[in-house]
Amino acid sequence: DAKTTQPTSMDCAEGRAANLPCNHSTISGNEYVYWYRQIHSQGPQYIIHGLKNNETNEMASLIITEDRKSSTLILPHATLRDTAVYYCIVRVASGGFKTIFGAGTRLFVKA
Amino acid sequence: NAGVTQTPKFRVLKTGQSMTLLCAQDMNHEYMYWYRQDPGMGLRLIHYSVGEGTTAKGEVPDGYNVSRLKKQNFLLGLESAAPSQTSVYFCASTAGGGELFFGEGSRLTVL
Repeated sequence: DAKTTQPTSMDCAEGRAANLPCNHSTISGNEYVYWYRQIHSQGPQYIIHGLKNNETNEMASLIITEDRKSSTLILPHATLRDTAVYYCIVRVASGGFKTIFGAGTRLFVKA
Repeated sequence: NAGVTQTPKFRVLKTGQSMTLLCAQDMNHEYMYWYRQDPGMGLRLIHYSVGEGTTAKGEVPDGYNVSRLKKQNFLLGLESAAPSQTSVYFCASTAGGGELFFGEGSRLTVL
């Protein structure tokens, strides 16, 4: 599985959009980009995933560059409850195989 | 559905003692994973399984053993606990594609 690079931490004002970048320059053609978040010490929670098209769900939007070497997770209106560690990972969608998490980005949403 | 259940949730061991962490999932998932998370760090993959009767090493397998005798259960064993194994352990499962489902974690302290 390809490795990812994320900033260690980011700040965001409450009510503003939070844009979390992820670099995955060695991604393979059959690997998807997944985003998870971990609030406090809870188990990580799935947010969204995509292959090459932009994706949106009730939690967030995922923008993947045309060359698929990087992506951005967008939380459109961040709230204090979005303060968490966000993990970007890449893995194949059919077949579990190794699923490697990096250190993630610690997002602080401030009032 | 309970999802992914880990037992015990808390445990204190003395150096050299052994113990087993149990992960149970009721979603009929093929793939199961054990991660550890040290304070302020991301998740590191210990071992994983791609089906009943199979196991494979992850990033940090030394000092741990696993077994997947039943599809719904994935056991993580510490034969001779060391203080370096003090950590929070997370179990996860997936059907193969899509999202990983995580347990709430097991907090282990080795004195």
